[in-house]
Amino acid sequence: GAGVSQSPSNKVTEKGKDVELRCDPISGHTALYWYRQSLGQGLEFLIYFQGNSAPDKSGLPSDRFSAERTGGSVSTLTIQRTQQEDSAVYLCASSSPNSPLHFGNGTRLTVT
Amino acid sequence: GESVGLHLPTLSVQEGDNSIINCAYSNSASDYFIWYKQESGKGPQFIIDIRSNMDKRQGQRVTVLLNKTVKHLSLQIAATQPGDSAVYFCAEVDYKLSFGAGTTVTVRA
Repeated sequence: GAGVSQSPSNKVTEKGKDVELRCDPISGHTALYWYRQSLGQGLEFLIYFQGNSAPDKSGLPSDRFSAERTGGSVSTLTIQRTQQEDSAVYLCASSSPNSPLHFGNGTRLTVT
Repeated sequence: GESVGLHLPTLSVQEGDNSIINCAYSNSASDYFIWYKQESGKGPQFIIDIRSNMDKRQGQRVTVLLNKTVKHLSLQIAATQPGDSAVYFCAEVDYKLSFGAGTTVTVRA
C-alpha cells in the first residue's frame, strides 16, 4: 500500500516480557518518527530517524526502550521488560522534504 | 520549553454549522504548522498546513488562520458533517512535530 504500515495492530503482553513493534514507512521517505499516545492524550515524541541514524532519541522514556532502522526503510521499536505504564498506542510516521508527516494506524500495546 | 496547546478539549457542533478549533503555541520562531484529524482507532491524518509567511490558507471545507502576533492558530470547518467527528490536533513543526492534547469534536445530527 501507499501508506505507513505498522504491525501488529494490537499486542497484549505480560509484564516483564519484551515486545517488538514494526513500522514500514512510505517508500522514499527518509525521515521516520515514533510517537506514543496514551488514552485520551496527545502524541508524545519518542525518536526521530534520518536515514538509518537517530539524531534525536530524546523522547525515549527509559533505557528499556530502543529503536533501530535498517536500509533506510523499516524500523522496529523494542521495549524490554514491559511495565503496565508502557500500555499505549505507538504511532509511526514518515516524511520527506516535500511531504508532511504521514502516520500509520499504530500498534495498541496492552501490558497485563 | 515549547508547548502547543488547544484552548478547549471538547466541541459540540450542530450538523451544518461551522466549527472553529483554536490552538496556541509558545515558540515565536516556529514557521510551520499542521492540523491533523484523528478518528477512533486510526492514526492522525493530515488536514492542512500553513507556513508563517501566510495568514490564511484554504482547503476543501477547511481554513487555517495564523496570527503570529498572538501565536494563535485556528481551524475552521465549514458546514460540519458527521464524518468530521474526531479529535483534532495542531502541531508545531521543526524537524519533528510537537502536539497539543487535542480537541474532540462531536457533530450533533
